[in-house]
Amino acid sequence: DTAVSQTPKYLVTQMGNDKSIKCEQNLGHDTMYWYKQDSKKFLKIMFSYNNKELIINETVPNRFSPKSPDKAHLNLHINSLELGDSAVYFCASSLSGIPEAFFGQGTRLTVV
Amino acid sequence: GENVEQHPSTLSVQEGDSAVIKCTYSDSASNYFPWYKQELGKGPQLIIDIRSNVGEKKDQRIAVTLNKTAKHFSLHITETQPEDSAVYFCAASSSDKLIFGTGTRLQVFP
Repeated sequence: DTAVSQTPKYLVTQMGNDKSIKCEQNLGHDTMYWYKQDSKKFLKIMFSYNNKELIINETVPNRFSPKSPDKAHLNLHINSLELGDSAVYFCASSLSGIPEAFFGQGTRLTVV
Repeated sequence: GENVEQHPSTLSVQEGDSAVIKCTYSDSASNYFPWYKQELGKGPQLIIDIRSNVGEKKDQRIAVTLNKTAKHFSLHITETQPEDSAVYFCAASSSDKLIFGTGTRLQVFP
């Protein structure tokens, strides 16, 4: 009965590889987000989708490409991974007009 | 754009004492101020929030106050318990985008 679920929980990969993180929510929300949390715990928004449409892109490198096949899913694909991409990535969701956001458990990405 | 500052970065208290975390924001259009608790290895969990038309909100041992004029809001935890130990984040929003503070690591010692 997990509300916002992300897979995988851990991801270790080499520089230059391409990887994807998946997110699904069963809350009936129509807005989904990706946040990045760096080693200092700072949380920063990367993308926001509403009803499958991109509404926020916070100047993230175009190696990062989100995809929303439907409003319950938001995946994040990362090309040509770099050491600086190592972080914890959180998916979140909310309902339009109701700002409470619910977060997933995070995906710890380590690039070696 | 919005900028949220949070203090202190670390806070250690004895069990049973109170803890206060303070945040300031820059965008006067912000109208929603949530607080999140993040335990080790977990995602942020919403614990309380306040909207700009309210000055104070309380939920058991947790309370939040908002001063719109000064653009300050604070989290108050009373009768702290060891399980309150976590990283706490404030955030501000005027739309669907949350801008987070830098976090406060709270340690409650038995």
